[in-house]
Amino acid sequence: QKEVEQNSGPLSVPEGAIASLNCTYSDRGSQSFFWYRQYSGKSPELIMSIYSNGDKEDGRFTAQLNKASQYVSLLIRDSQPSDSATYLCAVLNYGGSQGNLIFGKGTKLSVKP
Amino acid sequence: DAGVTQSPTHLIKTRGQQVTLRCSPKSGHDTVSWYQQALGQGPQFIFQYYEEEERQRGNFPDRFSGHQFPNYSSELNVNALLLGDSALYLCASSWTGYNEQFFGPGTRLTVL
Repeated sequence: QKEVEQNSGPLSVPEGAIASLNCTYSDRGSQSFFWYRQYSGKSPELIMSIYSNGDKEDGRFTAQLNKASQYVSLLIRDSQPSDSATYLCAVLNYGGSQGNLIFGKGTKLSVKP
Repeated sequence: DAGVTQSPTHLIKTRGQQVTLRCSPKSGHDTVSWYQQALGQGPQFIFQYYEEEERQRGNFPDRFSGHQFPNYSSELNVNALLLGDSALYLCASSWTGYNEQFFGPGTRLTVL
């Protein structure tokens, strides 16, 4: 059973701080990783994808991947109250024509003004 | 450019009934995947359609079935509804050759 693990939180950070969200996965052969943001009552929104070891930056977001440790993280710099949401880590499980996503339970982030 | 659309937004059914949910993928996308998200959980994969065929299936019973039409839109059917089927049903579209999946707004199903 392939699994993705996340701390459920809530993670509370003050406005302007760096929020660090972590995720581990069980399948050593996994190659594609994604972070989705989900506001309460809404659907998941893709914010980052990462495929290679190291860091990938997009604006205030940095995704980090360490395949040897089976670990993915998301850093949010200069956190804003509008970043308050649940962040879902997803790993692509290959099969058929295209893979399906295996999600963690999500980490709830609260950014306090 | 329209994103992924789903209908209806909300639905209330009683146990034993049947329901059909609909999804139109993002323009240019040819693959549709369906996920079920229970409260407080991450989405769980139900099945995936490509070229009008079910290509992959998650750990869901046969009460869950689907279809993809020539225009790439898709339906999810659930028969003999159970209370435990109450969830947010999400459709995600993607294009073969690319790994990224984009979600629609979802359909909130409540089974009473």
